[in-house]
Amino acid sequence: ETGVTQSPTHLIKTRGQQVTLRCSSQSGHNTVSWYQQALGQGPQFIFQYYREEENGRGNFPPRFSGLQFPNYSSELNVNALELDDSALYLCASSFVGGTEAFFGQGTRLTVV
Amino acid sequence: GDSVTQMEGPVTLSEEAFLTINCTYTATGYPSLFWYVQYPGEGLQLLLKATKADDKGSNKGFEATYRKETTSFHLEKGSVQVSDSAVYFCALSYNYGGSQGNLIFGKGTKLSVKP
Repeated sequence: ETGVTQSPTHLIKTRGQQVTLRCSSQSGHNTVSWYQQALGQGPQFIFQYYREEENGRGNFPPRFSGLQFPNYSSELNVNALELDDSALYLCASSFVGGTEAFFGQGTRLTVV
Repeated sequence: GDSVTQMEGPVTLSEEAFLTINCTYTATGYPSLFWYVQYPGEGLQLLLKATKADDKGSNKGFEATYRKETTSFHLEKGSVQVSDSAVYFCALSYNYGGSQGNLIFGKGTKLSVKP
């Protein structure tokens, strides 16, 4: 058991709406990363947070944003949802000096 | 840029068959290499890793060797079980100041093992 938990597990939104996904990191981990996994594809890096600041970003538009809180939990916010945003969103936590990321079970987002 | 290429799936094998899933990478530096496994309806689990050339990662009967000369990290298992049925992802990342950077994944290879 990795200890990384995500909520909700499934979500259906309408195009144009906004969504917030949540992640609770494994105890002791101070770095969190978010990935988007489209159906039949490998996960794509969205961004990483360390000490509550963005610490690297993949090729995603600004309508994808995030927050990391003092307790190392995290949120992924997506504005102006598009149909192509439908995917499994994965959160992964790690600690500084670590060489392994631990993944949550993901949130399945469907945009209709 | 950096990338990972995996063999196309799905791969269907009988129980106790030998498994190879090919993975090659393109990298501008010297990354660490990983194999992750994703069981139906679940997130990713680290299967094994190698951090430098000629290292061999192993876990649960799976093995992969970091081959710098062929830029490969092929996954092998001598005798697969039905419980090995899953999607397998090859990935790379760089180590920044002792910490792992973001992972770059291949598209995944679905393995189905029949009794």
